[in-house]
Amino acid sequence: DIQMTQSPSTLSASVGDRVTITCRASQSISIWLAWYQQKPGKAPNLLIYQASSLESGVPSRFSGSGSGTEFTLTISSLQPDDFATYYCQQYNSYSTITFGPGTKVDIK
Amino acid sequence: EVQLVESGGGLVQPGGSLRLSCAASGFTISSYWMHWVRQVPGKGLVWVSSINSDATNTNYADSVKGRFTISRDNAKNTLYLQMNSLRAEDTAVHFCARVAGSSWSYWYFDLWGRGTLVTVSS
Repeated sequence: DIQMTQSPSTLSASVGDRVTITCRASQSISIWLAWYQQKPGKAPNLLIYQASSLESGVPSRFSGSGSGTEFTLTISSLQPDDFATYYCQQYNSYSTITFGPGTKVDIK
Repeated sequence: EVQLVESGGGLVQPGGSLRLSCAASGFTISSYWMHWVRQVPGKGLVWVSSINSDATNTNYADSVKGRFTISRDNAKNTLYLQMNSLRAEDTAVHFCARVAGSSWSYWYFDLWGRGTLVTVSS
């Protein structure tokens, strides 16, 4: 199975900061990676798919990049609504889907 | 409104069974692969199971294989997860989720339910 890692596990930042989260796959997954935002007690919300495609309705301050085994999610200017946990997810085939362990973005 | 609503969670003893349901509205599930994903409170997301549009193809995580059965009733627009031989480690919020398309290249989750909590404890 493909294993996913994320760094950092926790990130403390201030409103207006540029934030970058990294996700790594244990083997190449081409561009088949998605990013989600989750707030406490809520379901995850799709932000990015195919590594860099922005889901409809998601603010343009969110962007994704990468291919192969290394990917990044960038928030260009952190807003109060962005304090949450972020997960990456690989979908490389009809086999097992796997998520990263998550990155919590909290207030500095 | 396009939504998924799970039900059927609750407290069950180890070794017991539960059947989760996921009712869809605002769209027809017959066009989509559907999945279950779970999350231990305070922990990360774990994929559990998937089923294709006509129920001819199912997949399971190793941790639930042989104990859980995913199914669907397209006429009722509802997804199910039969959970047998439950263990303490199955305690989690269970979400149903829709993927964006039928090909694996679209296997990202564009619609989630709110989840239903399953607690396995004596």
